Amino acid sequence: QKEVEQNSGPLSVPEGAIASLNCTYSDRVSQSFFWYRQYSGKSPELIMSIYSNGDKEDGRFTAQLNKASQYVSLLIRDSQPSDSATYLCAPYGGATNKLIFGTGTLLAVQP
Amino acid sequence: GAVVSQHPSRVICKSGTSVKIECRSLDFQATTMFWYRQFPKQSLMLMATSNEGSKATYEQGVEKDKFLINHASLTLSTLTVTSAHPEDSSFYICSARDDGTSYEQYFGPGTRLTVT
Repeated sequence: QKEVEQNSGPLSVPEGAIASLNCTYSDRVSQSFFWYRQYSGKSPELIMSIYSNGDKEDGRFTAQLNKASQYVSLLIRDSQPSDSATYLCAPYGGATNKLIFGTGTLLAVQP
Repeated sequence: GAVVSQHPSRVICKSGTSVKIECRSLDFQATTMFWYRQFPKQSLMLMATSNEGSKATYEQGVEKDKFLINHASLTLSTLTVTSAHPEDSSFYICSARDDGTSYEQYFGPGTRLTVT
């Protein structure tokens, strides 16, 4: 079992729709969770962090965390073509003292 | 806030030479920095963890004598690729963990290394 699992995609959504990105992780000790966005040829950019069970909203982004299910998700409302990128899920591995990155989900927002 | 710079952004060097890449946290202190490598269409690969004032911790399979890391201050870490070969050509990205937050980690813009 991989430490962090994400569907590689591509996930294709029409402009204006909600994009839903999912991630499961194996380390039950993880307490902090991060979502990064990476455009092609660029470095990752931190867009959301979440530490407690439930939802956290920031603008068009909502992160959801369920530690019992070892599941974290990212919702992007009113998706724009500029949101087209790879989204990386990264739990903080308490045992390893570093972020564990998933392989990412490629999101394509169609105009 | 939370800006990390990296220099140079692009470098071309001849096989057998060494290249130094600098990573700076501009508006926060970072006791811990990380160095990653990413090949085209592949995932980020962690190379090493850089700790201010102590030796870096390298991931399995990464040669510490080839990839020299120095973390001399709370805002600067350097990666030196020694005796570079064409297979070292890649996108090298550093990140810095903000000492003032709960493990938030910010990435530099990356350095594209081409070895000819």
